Amino acid sequence: GAVVSQHPSRVICKSGTSVKIECRSLDFQATTMFWYRQFPKQSLMLMATSNEGSKATYEQGVEKDKFLINHASLTLSTLTVTSAHPEDSSFYICSASFGRLYGYTFGSGTRLTVV
Amino acid sequence: KQEVTQIPAALSVPEGENLVLNCSFTDSAIYNLQWFRQDPGKGLTSLLLIQSSQREQTSGRLNASLDKSSGRSTLYIAASQPGDSATYLCAVIKRASGSRLTFGEGTQLTVNP
Repeated sequence: GAVVSQHPSRVICKSGTSVKIECRSLDFQATTMFWYRQFPKQSLMLMATSNEGSKATYEQGVEKDKFLINHASLTLSTLTVTSAHPEDSSFYICSASFGRLYGYTFGSGTRLTVV
Repeated sequence: KQEVTQIPAALSVPEGENLVLNCSFTDSAIYNLQWFRQDPGKGLTSLLLIQSSQREQTSGRLNASLDKSSGRSTLYIAASQPGDSATYLCAVIKRASGSRLTFGEGTQLTVNP
């Protein structure tokens, strides 16, 4: 079945630094990937839709200059949290699909802690 | 606006019991509905995908049904085991939203030995 690999699984960074999270579709090409944020005991909140070869589409209220998304190839999308603050600490999850009729596969998530 | 509601929010059952998790959605114009499982601190694992033209899907001890006209789906878990303890999420892709998933808030299941 479709596999999405997400790295790193955990990262701790200092305030003001930037952190990059990678999301790879291992056995299929994904023209579209999605980035979610999840707060404790809550469901997933869609942050942005990443489209290969074009700019990402951000959801309302998500700062595009804070959360930079790059989808440079059909198998890789990256989320960079720039100038991280403690309030950016959260669980970030990516997902991909090779067609909406085939459902979605999710990465294992990244726990970001900003100190 | 598509809303997805899951009932109950939490459920605790003894091992071996059969159980039903409920999901309802307000907009019946969907492409498909997908059930996921999430373990604490982990990503989502896809359990079952039901296309809009289908009525149900089965995988092992899991059976998911879909009634588009009433905007409901159920996830049936037979002979529950402690390893089934997790949060179960349902999500729909509605035709008007392109490829975006809309999630319910989840049902937190605990199966006690």
